[in-house]
Amino acid sequence: DQQVKQNSPSLSVQEGRISILNCDYTNSMFDYFLWYKKYPAEGPTFLISISSIKDKNEDGIFTVFLNKSAKHLSLHIVPSQPGDSAVYFCAASGRLTGGGNKLTFGTGTQLKVEL
Amino acid sequence: DAGVIQSPRHEVTEMGQEVTLRCKPISGHDYLFWYRQTMMRGLELLIYFNNNVPIDDSGMPEDRFSAKMPNASFSTLKIQPSEPRDSAVYFCASSFGGLNSYEQYFGPGTRLTVT
Repeated sequence: DQQVKQNSPSLSVQEGRISILNCDYTNSMFDYFLWYKKYPAEGPTFLISISSIKDKNEDGIFTVFLNKSAKHLSLHIVPSQPGDSAVYFCAASGRLTGGGNKLTFGTGTQLKVEL
Repeated sequence: DAGVIQSPRHEVTEMGQEVTLRCKPISGHDYLFWYRQTMMRGLELLIYFNNNVPIDDSGMPEDRFSAKMPNASFSTLKIQPSEPRDSAVYFCASSFGGLNSYEQYFGPGTRLTVT
């Protein structure tokens, strides 16, 4: 049972345009959401996050939007550049016993930014 | 800090052989996670440790999988005997278990191929 879903396995956009990556979740207990970026032969690296009490967070060209009622979040990248081509993972956080946080990941979306 | 270190980066083995994957977390982090990445299921959490103690191994697929953390700077994931369906990329991640600490830091992964 996938609690975090990324229904688009791939996305292709033109350089300079906006990339929109989507993510849906089912567990209303998740309290924090993160996006990770992964290049081939490397581990995922943290990109941007948002608390469940907010609906928007911006960091440079990246903006994450959260719609709690729809259990949906999205990552906007504008303008998109070829160097942004990577796999993007959505992750949702829930508290672990004794502290710390458990991340539940989606299956990822391969973004390709074309010249 | 060098980040999370994993070895080997690539492992090719024959079915039935024992495989041991290694991880050195970031110094000072008290949580360590083992993940497996496949195309179908994305990043799956296999097991996590808190202060070297295994807390939840419910993601370990079978008894053929085992993990240890003998000290704060070293963990192993062992598969014995290995099977072709174990072929995947295995990631180790670590984090600090503070109340508002959500980010996990990933190693570069070990690509396992079982023939």
